[in-house]
Amino acid sequence: DTEVTQTPKHLVMGMTNKKSLKCEQHMGHRAMYWYKQKAKKPPELMFVYSYEKLSINESVPSRFSPECPNSSLLNLHLHALQPEDSALYLCASSQDRGLSWGNGEQYFGPGTRLTVT
Amino acid sequence: AQTVTQSQPEMSVQEAETVTLSCTYDTSESDYYLFWYKQPPSRQMILVIRQEAYKQQNATENRFSVNFQKAAKSFSLKISDSQLGDAAMYFCAYRDDTNTGNQFYFGTGTSLTVIP
Repeated sequence: DTEVTQTPKHLVMGMTNKKSLKCEQHMGHRAMYWYKQKAKKPPELMFVYSYEKLSINESVPSRFSPECPNSSLLNLHLHALQPEDSALYLCASSQDRGLSWGNGEQYFGPGTRLTVT
Repeated sequence: AQTVTQSQPEMSVQEAETVTLSCTYDTSESDYYLFWYKQPPSRQMILVIRQEAYKQQNATENRFSVNFQKAAKSFSLKISDSQLGDAAMYFCAYRDDTNTGNQFYFGTGTSLTVIP
């Protein structure tokens, strides 16, 4: 199974709402990522988890709150978002650099298309 | 920080022809991975091809091949016999074994159009 799943596929939320994005993988990867992507732009790194611990936070506003409940799951909690936060949110996983790397690549989920109104 | 540069924002190719997408990168590391990812419109990002820096032989996957020039820090992607399904954004990416080794660095992407 080389699949990363994300739910929901689409999400529309108001600026006062609280919602969560979910991501799951069963490849045994110990590194998991959240990216934000605008149209025709590269993914922009938000957070990296390594062995369920937050290892990289790219100065993301606190209205985005990541959580890694276990080695297979990654959540992104959203609160009081702004219209400029509308984007495709991608989850990815990879073998952690501390292991043998495997094939080194990242596997991406299909993304959640978020619209903030 | 490592940087990845794709100097061609847009490219086009006739169906069945060959096209080459360029990528250069900057690093002081000797051991690293390079990747080409494809993202069709409104579809999932998938890996096209990978290259380990220690391997001198260029990677090949069916119609896709790379020209890896380690000294020049160049990593171009050649698509042969282009098909309509090859139309997508293509991102070059880099990963190494430093303390930020769980971080992937992406180029700005090349939008490929395939003309029937």
